[in-house]
Amino acid sequence: DGGITQSPKYLFRKEGQNVTLSCEQNLNHDAMYWYRQDPGQGLRLIYYSQIVNDFQKGDIAEGYSVSREKKESFPLTVTSAQKNPTAFYLCASRLGGVGTEAFFGQGTRLTVV
Amino acid sequence: GQQVMQIPQYQHVQEGEDFTTYCNSSTTLSNIQWYKQRPGGHPVFLIQLVKSGEVKKQKRLTFQFGEAKKNSSLHITATQTTDVGTYFCAGVVSWGKLQFGAGTQVVVTP
Repeated sequence: DGGITQSPKYLFRKEGQNVTLSCEQNLNHDAMYWYRQDPGQGLRLIYYSQIVNDFQKGDIAEGYSVSREKKESFPLTVTSAQKNPTAFYLCASRLGGVGTEAFFGQGTRLTVV
Repeated sequence: GQQVMQIPQYQHVQEGEDFTTYCNSSTTLSNIQWYKQRPGGHPVFLIQLVKSGEVKKQKRLTFQFGEAKKNSSLHITATQTTDVGTYFCAGVVSWGKLQFGAGTQVVVTP
């Protein structure tokens, strides 16, 4: 059953700690994305990757890091440098190219206390 | 900064009424996509428009791509409670960069 999986669904961390959010897809998609969603802010692009071992900063990359060592995996690390990390994080993947739709995971709701 | 803009941010609609949400890009897009996110859910793809001036319909939803391929609209007729959610437009603004608008959150009053 193909799809894109994010884990965990809910995550709590103490302030000052780094945390890694998982995103795995078995759709054989080349492109993967991380978005952050805050109330009234829509979907803001953090990082994206078109191919393995390559990724680009999005509009709000500060305080985040990613890796793309495997085609199916695109983990996001929220570092202690991120000023306001509490948010809903969505991972998406696309086949690649211009005209292909994005498939989203269920999201991870991160709360930093 | 944000290159894909959407208005209005919120839309309160009486059940049975029509409404329109608008999407504008600062650059010409090769295509525009629309997604719907139900409360508590994740965005789900609705449709893609590719040609200048293209109009597509899905039941009560009508999507339009502007002649200059820099704007788009979604018109919903006879709104139902199942239309509740946030509607996003999205475009590939540069190589591989899929950018979303801020979304229009739709609330339907019975």
